[in-house]
Amino acid sequence: QSALTQPASVSGSPGQSITISCTGTSSDVGGYNFVSWYQQHAGKAPKLMIYDVSHRPSGVSNRFSGSKSGNTASLTISGLQAEDEADYYCSSYTSTNSHVVFGGGTKLTVL
Amino acid sequence: QVQLQESGPGLVKPSQTLSLTCTVSGGSIDTGFQWSWIRHHPGKGLEWIGHIYYTGSTYYNPSLKSRVTISVDTSKNQFFLEVSSVTAADTAVYFCARGSMVQGVVVWFDPWGQGTLVTVSS
Repeated sequence: QSALTQPASVSGSPGQSITISCTGTSSDVGGYNFVSWYQQHAGKAPKLMIYDVSHRPSGVSNRFSGSKSGNTASLTISGLQAEDEADYYCSSYTSTNSHVVFGGGTKLTVL
Repeated sequence: QVQLQESGPGLVKPSQTLSLTCTVSGGSIDTGFQWSWIRHHPGKGLEWIGHIYYTGSTYYNPSLKSRVTISVDTSKNQFFLEVSSVTAADTAVYFCARGSMVQGVVVWFDPWGQGTLVTVSS
Protein backbone atom coordinates (compact mmCIF):
# COMPACT_ATOMS: atom_id res chain seq x y z
CA GLN A 1 0.00 0.00 0.00
CA SER A 2 1.38 3.38 -1.06
CA ALA A 3 1.97 6.14 1.46
CA LEU A 4 -0.09 8.66 -0.53
CA THR A 5 -3.60 7.84 -1.76
CA GLN A 6 -4.66 8.53 -5.34
CA PRO A 7 -7.75 7.38 -7.23
CA ALA A 8 -6.95 4.39 -9.42
CA SER A 9 -8.47 5.99 -12.49
CA VAL A 10 -10.09 9.13 -13.82
CA SER A 11 -11.47 9.94 -17.23
CA GLY A 12 -12.62 12.89 -19.26
CA SER A 13 -13.49 13.96 -22.76
CA PRO A 14 -11.29 16.15 -24.93
CA GLY A 15 -11.57 19.78 -23.93
CA GLN A 16 -12.83 19.03 -20.44
CA SER A 17 -10.96 19.52 -17.16
CA ILE A 18 -10.13 16.79 -14.68
CA THR A 19 -8.61 16.78 -11.22
CA ILE A 20 -6.52 14.05 -9.62
CA SER A 21 -6.28 14.04 -5.84
CA CYS A 22 -3.39 12.92 -3.67
CA THR A 23 -4.13 12.46 0.02
CA GLY A 24 -1.50 12.12 2.71
CA THR A 25 -1.05 13.26 6.29
CA SER A 26 0.31 16.20 8.23
CA SER A 27 3.71 14.48 8.12
CA ASP A 28 3.92 14.77 4.37
CA VAL A 29 1.45 16.54 2.05
CA GLY A 30 -0.12 18.66 4.78
CA GLY A 31 3.10 19.63 6.48
CA TYR A 32 5.30 20.72 3.60
CA ASN A 33 5.00 22.45 0.25
CA PHE A 34 7.08 19.74 -1.38
CA VAL A 35 4.46 17.96 -3.49
CA SER A 36 5.37 17.02 -7.04
CA TRP A 37 3.52 15.32 -9.89
CA TYR A 38 4.81 13.04 -12.63
CA GLN A 39 3.31 11.92 -15.94
CA GLN A 40 4.23 8.52 -17.31
CA HIS A 41 3.22 7.29 -20.73
CA ALA A 42 3.34 3.54 -21.20
CA GLY A 43 6.91 2.31 -21.46
CA LYS A 44 8.35 5.79 -21.06
CA ALA A 45 10.28 7.59 -18.35
CA PRO A 46 8.23 9.54 -15.82
CA LYS A 47 8.20 13.28 -16.53
CA LEU A 48 8.08 15.98 -13.89
CA MET A 49 4.94 18.10 -14.42
CA ILE A 50 4.60 20.03 -11.16
CA TYR A 51 6.98 20.68 -8.26
CA ASP A 52 6.63 22.47 -4.94
CA VAL A 53 2.81 22.02 -5.09
CA SER A 54 2.10 24.42 -7.94
CA HIS A 55 5.23 25.24 -9.95
CA ARG A 56 5.56 24.12 -13.55
CA PRO A 57 8.98 23.26 -15.00
CA SER A 58 9.96 25.00 -18.17
CA GLY A 59 8.29 23.38 -21.17
CA VAL A 60 5.28 21.97 -19.33
CA SER A 61 1.96 23.19 -20.68
CA ASN A 62 0.04 25.71 -18.59
CA ARG A 63 -2.94 23.37 -18.92
CA PHE A 64 -1.39 21.56 -15.96
CA SER A 65 -1.77 23.13 -12.53
CA GLY A 66 -1.28 22.02 -8.96
CA SER A 67 -2.74 23.03 -5.62
CA LYS A 68 -3.03 21.86 -2.04
CA SER A 69 -5.59 22.06 0.74
CA GLY A 70 -4.83 20.51 4.08
CA ASN A 71 -3.54 16.98 3.61
CA THR A 72 -4.73 16.71 0.00
CA ALA A 73 -2.90 17.90 -3.09
CA SER A 74 -4.49 18.11 -6.51
CA LEU A 75 -3.39 18.08 -10.12
CA THR A 76 -5.78 19.72 -12.56
CA ILE A 77 -5.53 19.28 -16.29
CA SER A 78 -7.63 21.67 -18.34
CA GLY A 79 -8.51 21.41 -22.02
CA LEU A 80 -7.89 17.66 -22.04
CA GLN A 81 -6.05 16.33 -25.06
CA ALA A 82 -5.56 12.79 -26.26
CA GLU A 83 -1.83 13.07 -25.50
CA ASP A 84 -2.63 13.60 -21.82
CA GLU A 85 -3.69 9.95 -21.51
CA ALA A 86 -1.09 8.50 -19.16
CA ASP A 87 -0.43 7.46 -15.58
CA TYR A 88 0.07 10.24 -13.05
CA TYR A 89 1.93 9.94 -9.75
CA CYS A 90 2.17 12.36 -6.87
CA SER A 91 5.01 12.50 -4.38
CA SER A 92 5.83 14.39 -1.23
CA TYR A 93 8.63 14.85 1.21
CA THR A 94 7.79 13.12 4.48
CA SER A 95 9.22 13.90 7.88
CA THR A 96 8.75 10.22 8.75
CA ASN A 97 12.27 8.99 8.16
CA SER A 98 12.97 12.14 6.09
CA HIS A 99 12.52 10.83 2.58
CA VAL A 100 10.17 10.94 -0.37
CA VAL A 101 6.94 8.98 -0.65
CA PHE A 102 4.82 8.41 -3.73
CA GLY A 103 1.19 7.77 -4.50
CA GLY A 104 -0.10 4.60 -6.10
CA GLY A 105 -0.72 6.32 -9.41
CA THR A 106 -3.82 7.34 -11.35
CA LYS A 107 -4.60 6.19 -14.86
CA LEU A 108 -6.08 9.02 -16.92
CA THR A 109 -8.23 7.98 -19.85
CA VAL A 110 -9.23 10.52 -22.47
CA LEU A 111 -12.55 9.32 -23.85
CA GLN B 1 20.10 18.29 -21.73
CA VAL B 2 20.92 15.73 -19.06
CA GLN B 3 19.85 12.18 -19.84
CA LEU B 4 20.03 9.06 -17.72
CA GLN B 5 20.14 5.43 -18.85
CA GLU B 6 19.89 2.32 -16.70
CA SER B 7 21.65 -0.91 -17.59
CA GLY B 8 22.09 -4.32 -16.03
CA PRO B 9 20.78 -7.89 -15.97
CA GLY B 10 17.06 -8.33 -16.44
CA LEU B 11 16.95 -11.60 -14.50
CA VAL B 12 18.39 -12.29 -11.07
CA LYS B 13 18.11 -15.49 -9.04
CA PRO B 14 16.62 -15.40 -5.53
CA SER B 15 19.16 -14.73 -2.76
CA GLN B 16 21.61 -13.20 -5.23
CA THR B 17 22.57 -9.54 -5.65
CA LEU B 18 20.87 -7.24 -8.12
CA SER B 19 23.32 -4.81 -9.73
CA LEU B 20 22.40 -1.87 -11.96
CA THR B 21 24.30 1.01 -13.52
CA CYS B 22 22.99 4.46 -14.37
CA THR B 23 24.96 6.40 -16.98
CA VAL B 24 24.54 10.17 -16.98
CA SER B 25 25.06 12.03 -20.26
CA GLY B 26 24.72 15.66 -21.28
CA GLY B 27 26.00 16.93 -17.95
CA SER B 28 28.40 16.18 -15.14
CA ILE B 29 27.49 14.03 -12.19
CA ASP B 30 29.59 16.15 -9.83
CA THR B 31 26.98 18.87 -9.38
CA GLY B 32 24.60 19.83 -6.61
CA PHE B 33 22.06 17.08 -7.19
CA GLN B 34 21.28 13.78 -5.51
CA TRP B 35 21.48 10.85 -7.90
CA SER B 36 18.60 8.58 -7.06
CA TRP B 37 17.15 5.13 -7.56
CA ILE B 38 13.41 4.53 -7.59
CA ARG B 39 11.50 1.37 -8.37
CA HIS B 40 8.00 0.51 -9.55
CA HIS B 41 6.50 -2.79 -8.51
CA PRO B 42 4.02 -4.26 -10.99
CA GLY B 43 0.55 -2.96 -10.21
CA LYS B 44 1.75 -0.81 -7.34
CA GLY B 45 3.13 2.66 -6.77
CA LEU B 46 6.64 4.02 -6.92
CA GLU B 47 9.15 3.42 -4.14
CA TRP B 48 12.18 5.62 -3.49
CA ILE B 49 15.23 3.43 -2.84
CA GLY B 50 17.94 5.93 -2.06
CA HIS B 51 20.31 8.54 -3.43
CA ILE B 52 23.96 9.52 -3.56
CA TYR B 53 25.84 12.80 -3.83
CA TYR B 54 28.91 12.90 -6.05
CA THR B 55 31.11 12.98 -2.94
CA GLY B 56 29.80 9.53 -2.05
CA SER B 57 27.41 10.61 0.69
CA THR B 58 24.35 8.34 0.64
CA TYR B 59 20.84 8.20 2.05
CA TYR B 60 18.65 5.11 1.90
CA ASN B 61 15.01 4.25 2.38
CA PRO B 62 14.98 2.76 5.91
CA SER B 63 12.83 -0.14 4.71
CA LEU B 64 15.60 -1.25 2.33
CA LYS B 65 18.71 0.12 4.01
CA SER B 66 20.06 -3.23 5.23
CA ARG B 67 20.18 -4.63 1.67
CA VAL B 68 20.97 -1.59 -0.51
CA THR B 69 24.25 -0.03 -1.55
CA ILE B 70 24.51 2.97 -3.88
CA SER B 71 27.90 4.07 -5.16
CA VAL B 72 29.28 6.54 -7.71
CA ASP B 73 32.14 6.74 -10.20
CA THR B 74 32.57 10.37 -11.18
CA SER B 75 35.28 9.52 -13.74
CA LYS B 76 32.73 7.52 -15.71
CA ASN B 77 29.75 9.76 -14.89
CA GLN B 78 27.95 6.73 -13.52
CA PHE B 79 26.27 5.67 -10.33
CA PHE B 80 25.28 2.21 -9.23
CA LEU B 81 22.71 0.22 -7.28
CA GLU B 82 23.16 -3.07 -5.51
CA VAL B 83 20.35 -4.90 -3.73
CA SER B 84 21.44 -8.01 -1.88
CA SER B 85 19.51 -11.14 -0.92
CA VAL B 86 16.78 -10.47 -3.46
CA THR B 87 13.40 -12.17 -3.43
CA ALA B 88 10.42 -12.08 -5.78
CA ALA B 89 9.31 -8.95 -3.94
CA ASP B 90 12.23 -7.12 -5.53
CA THR B 91 10.85 -7.73 -9.01
CA ALA B 92 10.20 -4.24 -10.37
CA VAL B 93 11.08 -1.65 -12.97
CA TYR B 94 14.09 0.22 -11.64
CA PHE B 95 14.57 3.88 -12.52
CA CYS B 96 17.47 6.19 -11.95
CA ALA B 97 16.75 9.90 -11.64
CA ARG B 98 18.32 13.21 -10.72
CA GLY B 99 17.00 14.50 -7.42
CA SER B 100 16.71 18.21 -6.66
CA MET B 101 17.16 19.45 -3.13
CA VAL B 102 15.36 22.19 -1.26
CA GLN B 103 16.31 23.08 2.29
CA GLY B 104 18.63 20.09 2.41
CA VAL B 105 16.16 17.40 1.35
CA VAL B 106 15.40 15.79 -2.00
CA VAL B 107 11.95 16.93 -3.08
CA TRP B 108 11.56 16.20 -6.79
CA PHE B 109 13.13 14.11 -9.53
CA ASP B 110 13.95 15.30 -13.02
CA PRO B 111 14.94 13.84 -15.40
CA TRP B 112 14.41 10.10 -15.12
CA GLY B 113 15.86 7.22 -17.07
CA GLN B 114 13.65 4.97 -19.16
CA GLY B 115 13.68 2.27 -16.50
CA THR B 116 14.77 -1.35 -16.64
CA LEU B 117 12.73 -4.38 -15.63
CA VAL B 118 14.44 -6.70 -13.20
CA THR B 119 12.78 -10.03 -12.55
CA VAL B 120 13.79 -12.17 -9.59
CA SER B 121 13.23 -15.80 -10.47
CA SER B 122 15.05 -19.10 -10.46
